[in-house]
Amino acid sequence: GENVEQHPSTLSVQEGDSAVIKCTYSDSASNYFPWYKQELGKGPQLIIDIRSNVGEKKDQRIAVTLNKTAKHFSLHITETQPEDSAVYFCGPTDSWGKLQFGAGTQVVVTP
Amino acid sequence: EAGVVQSPRYKIIEKKQPVAFWCNPISGHNTLYWYRQNLGQGPELLIRYENEEAVDDSQLPKDRFSAERLKGVDSTLKIQPAELGDSAVYLCASSLILRNEAFFGQGTRLTVV
Repeated sequence: GENVEQHPSTLSVQEGDSAVIKCTYSDSASNYFPWYKQELGKGPQLIIDIRSNVGEKKDQRIAVTLNKTAKHFSLHITETQPEDSAVYFCGPTDSWGKLQFGAGTQVVVTP
Repeated sequence: EAGVVQSPRYKIIEKKQPVAFWCNPISGHNTLYWYRQNLGQGPELLIRYENEEAVDDSQLPKDRFSAERLKGVDSTLKIQPAELGDSAVYLCASSLILRNEAFFGQGTRLTVV
């Protein structure tokens, strides 16, 4: 099965700084790479995703980069704001639609 | 458009009692997932449906857990009997077949005492 690891497990950043979370996976059949944000008491919410034929994707202050050869993809958040504080999960997905989550990264943005 | 709706939001039961969770996916979504999320961990897949068919239930503890998705729309997840270790948040998600984007409900927080 898929082995998914996220680093770091916790990340504290000053408001306005950048945050980067890395996700490594083992299943070479994975072809869809999403990032989810989970706020306290809520379900995970898809914030950005990338497919295996693309190396980078941006959406305003967030971006995802993919290195399929090395089997890792990263979430980049620029100009962090207090509302970015949450737990972030990566979820590499295989062609059968099986989504395996990482353990999560707790991001704390301090004013 | 309404998102994925789950009920109840919270449930407290005594061990050995049965419990059931209900999920209404986004309209038109053929694929439905049930996940379990323990405190401080990522969600773990329990079962995945495509329409009425359970296509992946390899991680569902079948001795006490069961699920159904009648008519390929709503789904229920049942635990009987519940154990202390079943305390967790149970999440339902849905997506379109051949589209990987999964949308999650708010979850049901189960506490077994």
